[in-house]
Amino acid sequence: EADIYQTPRYLVIGTGKKITLECSQTMGHDKMYWYQQDPGMELHLIHYSYGVNSTEKGDLSSESTVSRIRTEHFPLTLESARPSHTSQYLCASSEQGGLAGYEQFFGPGTRLTVL
Amino acid sequence: DQQVKQNSPSLSVQEGRISILNCDYTNSMFDYFLWYKKYPAEGPTFLISISSIKDKNEDGRFTVFLNKSAKHLSLHIVPSQPGDSAVYFCAASASIIQGAQKLVFGQGTRLTINP
Repeated sequence: EADIYQTPRYLVIGTGKKITLECSQTMGHDKMYWYQQDPGMELHLIHYSYGVNSTEKGDLSSESTVSRIRTEHFPLTLESARPSHTSQYLCASSEQGGLAGYEQFFGPGTRLTVL
Repeated sequence: DQQVKQNSPSLSVQEGRISILNCDYTNSMFDYFLWYKKYPAEGPTFLISISSIKDKNEDGRFTVFLNKSAKHLSLHIVPSQPGDSAVYFCAASASIIQGAQKLVFGQGTRLTINP
């Protein structure tokens, strides 16, 4: 069973607020990812990291930012939330290389609603 | 430009029969393919995968077939059980630098197993 955690699970917040979505994993994985998913749609990669102090933008442009100060922690921040940010945010991690590196373990997700 | 497509948004199958979920891709650089299962309010869970050098991989009731010339893969579940009711995502991977293997997801197919 994967040990990857996300908090909060649900968040309803007003426009203009700063929010941070937490993601932690206890598997010692070097690679971590953030995806955004709207209902009935595919998951879109918005950020990824291949280790401490490394972060990269994903395929889908996002106004959010991420940081990777510790291996186990990969928080996502929105400086000023807007209704267009309403979505589900999924965090994932994977091992460093080889075939095992393809399998990503997902957290339960944070469903964000911006009013 | 959607590189991974699941053209059936939903599928309904009777318990005990075979469920066949389909996925098409356009990028010939993809070298690994995965199927994920997702229940409501949970993150996706890895189900089964296949390397581009193989055409079949089997794990219990689940078999994935890959047809590289047609750029098509399918997931067979037999026999189907009520607990298989979920959304199934097809994903494909193309390695990038530093070994952070990105996944490109399809839109998902909602499978319902009827008793």
